[in-house]
Amino acid sequence: GENVGLHLPTLSVQEGDNSIINCAYSNSASDYFIWYKQESGKGPQFIIDIRSNMDKRQGQRVTVLLNKTVKHLSLQIAATQPGDSAVYFCAENETSSGNTPLVFGKGTRLSVIA
Amino acid sequence: DGGITQSPKYLFRKEGQNVTLSCEQNLNHDAMYWYRQDPGQGLRLIYYSQIVNDFQKGDIAEGYSVSREKKESFPLTVTSAQKNPTAFYLCASSPQGLAGRNEQFFGPGTRLTVL
Repeated sequence: GENVGLHLPTLSVQEGDNSIINCAYSNSASDYFIWYKQESGKGPQFIIDIRSNMDKRQGQRVTVLLNKTVKHLSLQIAATQPGDSAVYFCAENETSSGNTPLVFGKGTRLSVIA
Repeated sequence: DGGITQSPKYLFRKEGQNVTLSCEQNLNHDAMYWYRQDPGQGLRLIYYSQIVNDFQKGDIAEGYSVSREKKESFPLTVTSAQKNPTAFYLCASSPQGLAGRNEQFFGPGTRLTVL
């Protein structure tokens, strides 16, 4: 798989600044995208999702942007806090294929500097 | 209190032994999944099941086996054929595709160490 042998890229951000985590996907037929946050030693937790009929969706302090033309997804975290330190994964799915597994990206480690 | 449970949280095994990891969900989800995660890396799919009594291999199924006899349970057996079983194992479930969403809900994970 694509994750074998690779270590996660790291993004370091000053507390209070905004964070932007990027993700490229490969399947042009994917129509559902999701971001997860994984803290050390725990399972991934849902942050926000977006369907392909949208290009932006906002949650509490988080915004997901989808650019289908270049197959790019980003997660923006406003006013980053120490509790945001974690690994962030994007995932994609072609929902017309039924309950097939999400395809996960490599992940990015976010480190918040106090 | 709905959710996905995995047990045990930590598991130690001697080399050459089979071991079974438990995953239970009370969310009434149709699909369940097993992933493996190595330190500093992403999630790799081992097996998944879309309905009871049916399952498919993922990207790294060799050395693993599963069963899906009940909707709420999807145990994973790590066999002695798995050459490097030490890893963090994550179970997930998802409802039948709701209005174009396939969100997967994850359990807390089991950390398996082979001694």
